[in-house]
Amino acid sequence: DAKTTQPTSMDCAEGRAANLPCNHSTISGNEYVYWYRQIHSQGPQYIIHGLKNNETNEMASLIITEDRKSSTLILPHATLRDTAVYYCIVPNFGNEKLTFGTGTRLTIIP
Amino acid sequence: EPEVTQTPSHQVTQMGQEVILRCVPISNHLYFYWYRQILGQKVEFLVSFYNNEISEKSEIFDDQFSVERPDGSNFTLKIRSTKLEDSAMYFCASSASGGTDYNEQFFGPGTRLTVL
Repeated sequence: DAKTTQPTSMDCAEGRAANLPCNHSTISGNEYVYWYRQIHSQGPQYIIHGLKNNETNEMASLIITEDRKSSTLILPHATLRDTAVYYCIVPNFGNEKLTFGTGTRLTIIP
Repeated sequence: EPEVTQTPSHQVTQMGQEVILRCVPISNHLYFYWYRQILGQKVEFLVSFYNNEISEKSEIFDDQFSVERPDGSNFTLKIRSTKLEDSAMYFCASSASGGTDYNEQFFGPGTRLTVL
């Protein structure tokens, strides 16, 4: 899988936008960027994915740079329930498996 | 909202015993996975399963492990002779499609396996 680099931890105030960066400089042209999160040892939860265009769903927005070497996950109005480990994953093209790194531990502060 | 379910939530076993972890994937999904997470460590891929056969497996998934979809609804992971190092949280996941263009995987809540 294309290697991804994320900060180890981040804090965000409740109600503010949480912006989680991810570097994936070795990404290939046909590889997607996926974001999952894991809340306190629960099963990982899919958030969003994208190829080159920015994406938005009910949970988050994904901004991918034009050169596709980095992306940012945005949680527009963070709540305490968004405290979790967030994983940026770039699976090899044609490969279903997800390779989880250490992710970013996001703590939402009241 | 459909969800993946797993039973039991916690399994305690003696070293050398066989265990079977059970999963009910989302009903119209075709791709099934097992992952594990040793306490404090990363989530690790074990195996993917499609069309009644293993499509990929990791180095962890050795001869002691097997998977089966016995009845079209359940998806099981069997560990034949458990070792202490098999103690972990085991997550089942399913997805409607494979590949990487749309591979949203839905994870179950996990089974915590404790080997004594």
